[in-house]
Amino acid sequence: QLQLQESGPGLVKPSETLSLTCTVSGGSINTLTYYWGWIRQPPGKGLEWIGSCLYSGSTSFNPSLKSRATISVDTSKNQFSLKVTSVTATDTAVYYCARQSAYSYYMEVWGEGTTVTVSS
Amino acid sequence: QSALAQPPSASGSPGQSVTISCTGTSGDVGVYNFVSWYQQHPGKAPKLMIYEVDKRPSGVPDRFSGSKSGNTASLTVSGLQTEDEADYFCSSYAGRNNVKFGGGTKLTVL
Repeated sequence: QLQLQESGPGLVKPSETLSLTCTVSGGSINTLTYYWGWIRQPPGKGLEWIGSCLYSGSTSFNPSLKSRATISVDTSKNQFSLKVTSVTATDTAVYYCARQSAYSYYMEVWGEGTTVTVSS
Repeated sequence: QSALAQPPSASGSPGQSVTISCTGTSGDVGVYNFVSWYQQHPGKAPKLMIYEVDKRPSGVPDRFSGSKSGNTASLTVSGLQTEDEADYFCSSYAGRNNVKFGGGTKLTVL
Protein backbone atom coordinates (compact mmCIF):
# COMPACT_ATOMS: atom_id res chain seq x y z
CA GLN A 1 0.00 0.00 0.00
CA LEU A 2 1.51 3.29 -1.11
CA GLN A 3 2.22 5.80 1.64
CA LEU A 4 3.64 9.32 1.55
CA GLN A 5 5.19 11.15 4.48
CA GLU A 6 6.16 14.82 4.63
CA SER A 7 9.10 16.02 6.71
CA GLY A 8 10.86 19.31 7.34
CA PRO A 9 11.09 22.30 9.70
CA GLY A 10 7.84 23.47 11.23
CA LEU A 11 9.05 27.05 11.64
CA VAL A 12 10.66 29.26 9.00
CA LYS A 13 11.68 32.91 9.31
CA PRO A 14 10.30 35.52 6.91
CA SER A 15 12.40 36.01 3.74
CA GLU A 16 14.06 32.60 4.20
CA THR A 17 13.51 29.37 2.22
CA LEU A 18 10.95 26.72 3.15
CA SER A 19 12.22 23.18 2.45
CA LEU A 20 10.13 20.01 2.70
CA THR A 21 10.69 16.40 1.67
CA CYS A 22 8.15 13.71 0.84
CA THR A 23 9.22 10.09 1.30
CA VAL A 24 7.34 7.52 -0.77
CA SER A 25 6.99 3.95 0.57
CA GLY A 26 5.17 0.90 -0.74
CA GLY A 27 5.82 1.82 -4.36
CA SER A 28 8.39 3.33 -6.69
CA ILE A 29 8.62 6.97 -7.65
CA ASN A 30 10.03 5.83 -11.02
CA THR A 31 6.86 5.82 -13.09
CA LEU A 32 5.40 7.77 -16.00
CA THR A 33 1.87 7.02 -14.77
CA TYR A 34 1.99 9.51 -11.91
CA TYR A 35 3.19 12.97 -11.06
CA TRP A 36 4.35 13.73 -7.52
CA GLY A 37 2.75 16.89 -6.22
CA TRP A 38 2.58 19.44 -3.42
CA ILE A 39 -0.61 21.09 -2.16
CA ARG A 40 -1.00 23.53 0.73
CA GLN A 41 -3.85 24.71 2.94
CA PRO A 42 -3.58 27.97 4.93
CA PRO A 43 -5.30 27.88 8.33
CA GLY A 44 -9.07 27.78 7.91
CA LYS A 45 -8.85 28.11 4.13
CA GLY A 46 -9.05 26.00 1.00
CA LEU A 47 -6.54 23.89 -0.89
CA GLU A 48 -3.96 25.37 -3.25
CA TRP A 49 -2.02 23.27 -5.76
CA ILE A 50 1.63 24.31 -5.64
CA GLY A 51 3.13 22.13 -8.36
CA SER A 52 4.19 18.64 -9.37
CA CYS A 53 7.04 16.68 -10.95
CA LEU A 54 7.76 13.50 -12.84
CA TYR A 55 10.53 11.14 -11.72
CA SER A 56 12.54 12.46 -14.68
CA GLY A 57 12.65 15.92 -13.09
CA SER A 58 10.10 17.57 -15.38
CA THR A 59 8.04 20.07 -13.32
CA SER A 60 4.90 22.24 -13.45
CA PHE A 61 3.87 25.01 -11.07
CA ASN A 62 0.94 27.19 -10.06
CA PRO A 63 1.56 30.57 -11.74
CA SER A 64 0.48 32.36 -8.55
CA LEU A 65 3.71 31.39 -6.79
CA LYS A 66 5.62 33.55 -9.26
CA SER A 67 8.67 31.31 -9.64
CA ARG A 68 9.34 31.08 -5.87
CA ALA A 69 8.75 27.30 -5.86
CA THR A 70 10.99 24.49 -7.07
CA ILE A 71 10.46 20.72 -6.90
CA SER A 72 13.20 18.12 -7.22
CA VAL A 73 13.30 14.32 -7.22
CA ASP A 74 15.78 11.89 -5.64
CA THR A 75 14.98 8.51 -7.17
CA SER A 76 17.72 6.75 -5.16
CA LYS A 77 15.88 7.66 -1.96
CA ASN A 78 12.35 7.47 -3.43
CA GLN A 79 11.80 11.06 -2.34
CA PHE A 80 10.79 14.38 -3.82
CA SER A 81 11.26 17.81 -2.31
CA LEU A 82 9.74 21.29 -2.32
CA LYS A 83 11.50 24.60 -1.83
CA VAL A 84 9.72 27.95 -1.58
CA THR A 85 11.94 31.03 -1.43
CA SER A 86 11.36 34.45 0.14
CA VAL A 87 8.55 33.24 2.39
CA THR A 88 6.11 35.54 4.15
CA ALA A 89 3.33 34.96 6.66
CA THR A 90 0.98 34.12 3.79
CA ASP A 91 3.01 30.94 3.19
CA THR A 92 1.96 29.63 6.60
CA ALA A 93 -0.04 26.48 5.88
CA VAL A 94 -0.37 22.73 6.16
CA TYR A 95 1.67 21.30 3.30
CA TYR A 96 0.63 18.01 1.74
CA CYS A 97 2.45 15.81 -0.74
CA ALA A 98 0.41 13.59 -3.03
CA ARG A 99 0.56 11.15 -5.91
CA GLN A 100 -1.14 12.77 -8.90
CA SER A 101 -2.51 10.98 -11.95
CA ALA A 102 -0.45 11.92 -14.99
CA TYR A 103 -3.48 11.38 -17.22
CA SER A 104 -6.31 13.17 -15.44
CA TYR A 105 -4.49 15.13 -12.73
CA TYR A 106 -6.42 14.00 -9.64
CA MET A 107 -4.59 13.47 -6.33
CA GLU A 108 -5.02 9.78 -5.62
CA VAL A 109 -2.92 9.29 -2.47
CA TRP A 110 -2.10 11.97 0.09
CA GLY A 111 0.42 12.32 2.88
CA GLU A 112 -0.88 13.28 6.32
CA GLY A 113 0.42 16.84 5.96
CA THR A 114 2.92 18.93 7.86
CA THR A 115 2.36 22.38 9.37
CA VAL A 116 4.77 25.14 8.43
CA THR A 117 4.61 28.48 10.22
CA VAL A 118 6.41 31.54 8.90
CA SER A 119 7.34 33.77 11.81
CA SER A 120 10.34 35.54 13.25
CA GLN B 1 -5.10 32.12 -10.73
CA SER B 2 -8.73 32.25 -9.57
CA ALA B 3 -10.17 29.34 -7.62
CA LEU B 4 -13.20 27.36 -8.72
CA ALA B 5 -16.39 28.67 -7.08
CA GLN B 6 -18.15 26.56 -4.46
CA PRO B 7 -20.90 27.50 -1.98
CA PRO B 8 -19.36 27.91 1.48
CA SER B 9 -21.92 25.66 3.12
CA ALA B 10 -24.54 22.99 2.47
CA SER B 11 -26.70 20.92 4.74
CA GLY B 12 -29.18 18.08 4.87
CA SER B 13 -30.82 15.67 7.27
CA PRO B 14 -29.82 12.01 7.56
CA GLY B 15 -31.21 10.04 4.65
CA GLN B 16 -31.66 13.08 2.44
CA SER B 17 -29.66 14.03 -0.65
CA VAL B 18 -27.51 17.12 -1.04
CA THR B 19 -25.74 18.52 -4.11
CA ILE B 20 -22.65 20.72 -4.03
CA SER B 21 -21.78 22.80 -7.09
CA CYS B 22 -18.39 23.76 -8.47
CA THR B 23 -18.30 26.50 -11.10
CA GLY B 24 -15.31 27.11 -13.31
CA THR B 25 -14.77 28.51 -16.77
CA SER B 26 -14.49 27.42 -20.38
CA GLY B 27 -10.76 27.06 -19.70
CA ASP B 28 -11.04 24.42 -17.00
CA VAL B 29 -14.27 22.66 -15.93
CA GLY B 30 -15.99 23.49 -19.20
CA VAL B 31 -13.40 21.97 -21.49
CA TYR B 32 -11.81 19.10 -19.56
CA ASN B 33 -13.48 16.01 -18.07
CA PHE B 34 -10.82 16.02 -15.37
CA VAL B 35 -12.89 17.15 -12.40
CA SER B 36 -12.27 15.50 -9.04
CA TRP B 37 -13.79 15.82 -5.56
CA TYR B 38 -12.17 15.43 -2.15
CA GLN B 39 -13.58 14.92 1.34
CA GLN B 40 -11.71 16.37 4.31
CA HIS B 41 -12.55 15.76 7.95
CA PRO B 42 -11.14 18.19 10.54
CA GLY B 43 -7.43 17.76 11.08
CA LYS B 44 -7.17 15.08 8.39
CA ALA B 45 -5.75 14.92 4.89
CA PRO B 46 -8.16 15.17 1.96
CA LYS B 47 -9.52 11.90 0.53
CA LEU B 48 -10.33 11.36 -3.15
CA MET B 49 -14.06 10.68 -3.61
CA ILE B 50 -14.68 11.27 -7.34
CA TYR B 51 -12.33 11.55 -10.34
CA GLU B 52 -12.83 12.19 -14.05
CA VAL B 53 -16.20 13.85 -13.28
CA ASP B 54 -18.13 10.75 -12.25
CA LYS B 55 -15.80 7.86 -11.41
CA ARG B 56 -15.54 6.48 -7.85
CA PRO B 57 -12.29 5.02 -6.47
CA SER B 58 -12.52 1.60 -4.91
CA GLY B 59 -14.00 1.80 -1.42
CA VAL B 60 -16.00 5.00 -1.91
CA PRO B 61 -19.71 4.35 -1.29
CA ASP B 62 -22.01 4.62 -4.30
CA ARG B 63 -23.97 7.23 -2.34
CA PHE B 64 -21.42 9.65 -3.76
CA SER B 65 -21.86 10.63 -7.40
CA GLY B 66 -20.51 13.30 -9.72
CA SER B 67 -21.72 15.05 -12.84
CA LYS B 68 -20.95 18.03 -15.05
CA SER B 69 -22.90 20.42 -17.22
CA GLY B 70 -21.12 23.19 -19.07
CA ASN B 71 -18.77 25.06 -16.74
CA THR B 72 -20.33 23.60 -13.57
CA ALA B 73 -19.57 20.27 -11.91
CA SER B 74 -21.62 18.79 -9.10
CA LEU B 75 -21.17 16.32 -6.28
CA THR B 76 -24.30 14.61 -4.96
CA VAL B 77 -24.39 12.74 -1.67
CA SER B 78 -27.47 10.54 -1.38
CA GLY B 79 -28.76 8.91 1.79
CA LEU B 80 -26.79 11.33 3.99
CA GLN B 81 -25.04 9.79 6.98
CA THR B 82 -23.52 11.56 9.96
CA GLU B 83 -20.02 10.55 8.87
CA ASP B 84 -20.51 12.50 5.63
CA GLU B 85 -20.21 15.75 7.60
CA ALA B 86 -16.94 17.23 6.32
CA ASP B 87 -15.45 19.80 3.98
CA TYR B 88 -15.63 19.00 0.27
CA PHE B 89 -13.31 20.45 -2.36
CA CYS B 90 -13.55 20.22 -6.12
CA SER B 91 -10.59 20.34 -8.47
CA SER B 92 -10.13 20.65 -12.20
CA TYR B 93 -7.34 20.45 -14.73
CA ALA B 94 -6.85 23.93 -16.17
CA GLY B 95 -4.47 23.28 -19.04
CA ARG B 96 -0.66 23.48 -19.31
CA ASN B 97 -0.25 20.91 -16.49
CA ASN B 98 -2.03 23.32 -14.13
CA VAL B 99 -4.57 22.30 -11.46
CA LYS B 100 -7.19 24.45 -9.71
CA PHE B 101 -9.11 23.78 -6.50
CA GLY B 102 -12.40 25.18 -5.30
CA GLY B 103 -12.69 27.15 -2.09
CA GLY B 104 -14.45 24.29 -0.33
CA THR B 105 -17.96 23.57 0.98
CA LYS B 106 -18.72 22.67 4.57
CA LEU B 107 -21.39 19.97 4.59
CA THR B 108 -23.44 19.77 7.77
CA VAL B 109 -25.65 16.78 8.52
CA LEU B 110 -28.48 18.18 10.64
